[in-house]
Parts: sequence; C-alpha cells; structure tokens
Amino acid sequence: EVQLVESGGDLVQPGGSLRLSCAASRFSFNNYYMSWVRQAPGKGLEWVANINPDGSETYYVESVRGRFTISRDNAQNSLFLQMNSLRDEDTAVYYCVREEWLVLALDYWGQGTLVTVSS
Amino acid sequence: QSALTQPASVSGSPGQSITISCIGTSSDVGYYNYVSWYQQHPGKAPKLMIYEVTLRPSGVSNRFSGSKSGNTASLTISGLQAEDESNYYCSSYTSRNTSHYVFGSGTKVTVL
Repeated sequence: EVQLVESGGDLVQPGGSLRLSCAASRFSFNNYYMSWVRQAPGKGLEWVANINPDGSETYYVESVRGRFTISRDNAQNSLFLQMNSLRDEDTAVYYCVREEWLVLALDYWGQGTLVTVSS
Repeated sequence: QSALTQPASVSGSPGQSITISCIGTSSDVGYYNYVSWYQQHPGKAPKLMIYEVTLRPSGVSNRFSGSKSGNTASLTISGLQAEDESNYYCSSYTSRNTSHYVFGSGTKVTVL
C-alpha cells in the first residue's frame, strides 16, 4: 500500500525556519500531484499547498504564500515544505498527502509531523 | 474560520442512520462535483471515505453514502456502528483565491 512518511517537525521560535520532508513509496511518485495539509491542535484541517507531478506548478493558501515553499525531488521520491518567517498560528501537525488529480481528492495521508512555533 | 460549515456534533444509536451536512458556496460545493469526505479517529491521519460527491474508494463500507444539492453536500452513515464514532470532515475543490481545496469545520459523530 501507499506509504508517506513525514519528518522534520520541531519546536521553533517565531520568525524562524523549518524544512519538512516526506518520503513516498509504493506508488509512482512522479505521476501524482502532492499536497501538504495541516491541523492545528484541537482544530480542523487546512489545505496548505500543492505541487504538480513535474514540480513546475505550485499553489498555496493565502496565509502562507510568500513564506512557505513546496518542492519535490522525483528521483528521491520526496516532497518538501520549506517554512520561513514562522508564526504562532503555524503551529500544527503537517500531513503529506497524495492527490488523485483526476477526481480532485486527497486519497492517501501520512501520519503527520508536529511543528510547534513558540518562544 | 473554516470555509465550509458543518454541525459540531451528530449522534445516533447503533443501527440508526445519521446525516452530516456541509454548507459551502457557489465557488466550491455549489459549482464543482468534487466534494470529498474524510474520517479521522483521534490521533490518527484522515482517511478518504467519499470522493466526487457520491463515490466510495475500494474498501470503504457501503454504509457510507454521499449526496449534494445546491451549495450543500451531505454524508449519510447507515446502520451506525460503534467503529463509526469519529470526526468527519467535508472538503471541496474551490476557485476561491489561490487555494485548491477547502475543508469543513468537522463533525464529531457519537454512537450512543
């Protein structure tokens, strides 16, 4: 079955930076859109960003645009999220998610990695 | 504030049917037939239950069904079972701003 394993979550001060990684396996990674979705403690889900299969197109939710950068390395079956100028409200579990673009659904989710922004 | 509106909680007895509503706008639920539903048990990752309004991924029980009317989508769970107790989120593709997907606020389903 599809496997997505996130890493890189940590405690970081406001204004700091962090890079999340997601290792994908058991599917043809270079054929799929990929997304990051986050969930603040005790809150609902929020879509953050996505990237097309060859990495040439990226999209972001307004609240992170200009601060976060999504990227991928298809040779390494890896997805990344570079997060800069972090704010308290970025505190959340970040999920790496495969998109089934033909039906516009998020069909496989990793277990998530926790990012805590606090002084 | 979530883009799609769901009731905070819904409850039912084993064997009963319950329905969760998801109210959007003409920029998301009302325009696109790309509504999905996700089940999330506490401390776990979400799981896709319904996509394209009515379709079930392989392995999802046929007790779960979806529908849509205008700007409102719905998830119905028939023959409620203890294992269905969980949080449920709707989602829709959207043309609002630069986002691709919007989520609902989530509904806690309790099996009495």
